[in-house]
Amino acid sequence: AQSVTQPDIHITVSEGASLELRCNYSYGATPYLFWYVQSPGQGLQLLLKYFSGDTLVQGIKGFEAEFKRSQSSFNLRKPSVHWSDAAEYFCAVRGNEKLTFGTGTRLTIIP
Amino acid sequence: DTAVSQTPKYLVTQMGNDKSIKCEQNLGHDTMYWYKQDSKKFLKIMFSYNNKELIINETVPNRFSPKSPDKAHLNLHINSLELGDSAVYFCASSRGTGYYEQYFGPGTRLTVT
Repeated sequence: AQSVTQPDIHITVSEGASLELRCNYSYGATPYLFWYVQSPGQGLQLLLKYFSGDTLVQGIKGFEAEFKRSQSSFNLRKPSVHWSDAAEYFCAVRGNEKLTFGTGTRLTIIP
Repeated sequence: DTAVSQTPKYLVTQMGNDKSIKCEQNLGHDTMYWYKQDSKKFLKIMFSYNNKELIINETVPNRFSPKSPDKAHLNLHINSLELGDSAVYFCASSRGTGYYEQYFGPGTRLTVT
């Protein structure tokens, strides 16, 4: 069975600083990986996905993620965060017919 | 146009009542899902339908019954509501059952008192 671990429950960064959110997955075959963002009181929005090919994937809102098979990781990055990036971020892996989510990382932005 | 919509957005009800949540998608997708997000924000799939057929049924109590009248709609009916059913319920859809991204609705916050 697949699983996803997001080690950081809560991260606080200053506006304009860089960001990296960690994600580790467990799946026996080639993983299909996703990052979603959930703003307060909203649904989930897809930021980016990795299916195959280039291990560095670009997403919306200036986010990118790098797939590292040797480390079973799919970390999300942004070079300079904006106050509007404050939200909950979920990493997910697509396994046998279903999407399994991590427990999420809450991002707080300070001025 | 809202791609995946849910009604109602908020639902407050008493224990023992029966309630329904409706979901509609206008993306032309074949597959739809129901997820439950608990108070700790943990998201777990409950059901999945493909072309109106049930394909995923996680270990959900029988009090929960999904119904898909057509490909664009997936409703969730909950009988004899319990306190533990309080959560946010998300509907989602995807092009198919393969490795496609899922698009989520805005969620329905259910509070059982």
